[in-house]
Amino acid sequence: GEDVEQSLFLSVREGDSSVINCTYTDSSSTYLYWYKQEPGAGLQLLTYIFSNMDMKQDQRLTVLLNKKDKHLSLRIADTQTGDSAIYFCAESRGRRGADGLTFGKGTHLIIQP
Amino acid sequence: DVKVTQSSRYLVKRTGEKVFLECVQDMDHENMFWYRQDPGLGLRLIYFSYDVKMKEKGDIPEGYSVSREKKERFSLILESASTNQTSMYLCASSLRQGGNQPQHFGDGTRLSIL
Repeated sequence: GEDVEQSLFLSVREGDSSVINCTYTDSSSTYLYWYKQEPGAGLQLLTYIFSNMDMKQDQRLTVLLNKKDKHLSLRIADTQTGDSAIYFCAESRGRRGADGLTFGKGTHLIIQP
Repeated sequence: DVKVTQSSRYLVKRTGEKVFLECVQDMDHENMFWYRQDPGLGLRLIYFSYDVKMKEKGDIPEGYSVSREKKERFSLILESASTNQTSMYLCASSLRQGGNQPQHFGDGTRLSIL
């Protein structure tokens, strides 16, 4: 079956790097995604990585993929108060990808001043 | 930018009512999805659609139905609302070209069933 696991909370100091981890089970997933959800809002796509890549960088965001261990991480450099949100890891369901995404339960990122 | 619009941010209905949640996207996406989000359970897929008049069950379709009469609009229907359907409902859409495209979400509808 498909399952995506991530820790529920992460607390970091402002200015430090945040690393949010995720494990997934479906080895046929071709894309893996990170979404951000601010309070009262929908999900905002942050970044995604194709399964044949092991790293993707986009400004303050770095995604690392270890396909062997089925481990995905999101690193946010120089964490700011505006980064406070819930971060969801998601994998595509099936090869077509149009069957929807399987989401983790989300990691609450808490920023300490 | 892709725009996915859900008709209501907040909705309060009574047990037994028929409830319609509407979602419209403006980017000519083939795929559309309905999820519900609950504390401790994350997002769960209710129904999805590949094209007009097509629909597929997700993980938790019981108590729901959907309608896709036009490409840009995907409606979620609670046939007879019950209190356990109180939740945040999220609509999403994506392109189908290449077989895999990121999903874009609306802002959600927070539905309370009394």
